[in-house]
Amino acid sequence: DTEVTQTPKHLVMGMTNKKSLKCEQHMGHRAMYWYKQKAKKPPELMFVYSYEKLSINESVPSRFSPECPNSSLLNLHLHALQPEDSALYLCASSQEHDSEAFFGQGTRLTVV
Amino acid sequence: QKEVEQNSGPLSVPEGAIASLNCTYSDRVSQSFFWYRQYSGKSPELIMSIYSNGDKEDGRFTAQLNKASQYVSLLIRDSQPSDSATYLCAVMETSGSRLTFGEGTQLTVNP
Repeated sequence: DTEVTQTPKHLVMGMTNKKSLKCEQHMGHRAMYWYKQKAKKPPELMFVYSYEKLSINESVPSRFSPECPNSSLLNLHLHALQPEDSALYLCASSQEHDSEAFFGQGTRLTVV
Repeated sequence: QKEVEQNSGPLSVPEGAIASLNCTYSDRVSQSFFWYRQYSGKSPELIMSIYSNGDKEDGRFTAQLNKASQYVSLLIRDSQPSDSATYLCAVMETSGSRLTFGEGTQLTVNP
């Protein structure tokens, strides 16, 4: 089983809203990731958690706030986003931080 | 900034042909290489990983790695219309965690 589950699948939010994206995996993977993907571009790394600790923050604006409540869950809290933040947000996980990564189905976010 | 470059597409092949997708990378000490397939509107799906020089075969897919030339490729034999997608080459940085993706090659297999 290589399933990473993301909710919601679609999200429309206003620029003053607060929302959260959720990601869950039950494969015992110790590394989890958030990526952002714009249309016709490759995924861009945002955050990496390794053993529930934030190990990489790719200079992401503070309006994006990651959280790893436990080894199976990863959240991305969103606040005061801009229309240019509209994108596909992808969660991924891997056994260790240097092994192959499996992606969830993504959350299609639209900021209005 | 480490770079991964893929042959510019789009690539169009007839059904049943071999599709060849190429990728070069700049970080000479990279050790882990991946091919992902992404259908339009969907998330990337891992189809091959390769770590050693040579060929690795999985069904109709063959990944080839040449570390001396800093080159990795994906061959798809007996291409099917369902193979039509964007193929992303990804290279893991030496310290791990950070995957660098190429821009992707859009493949169309014509019936």
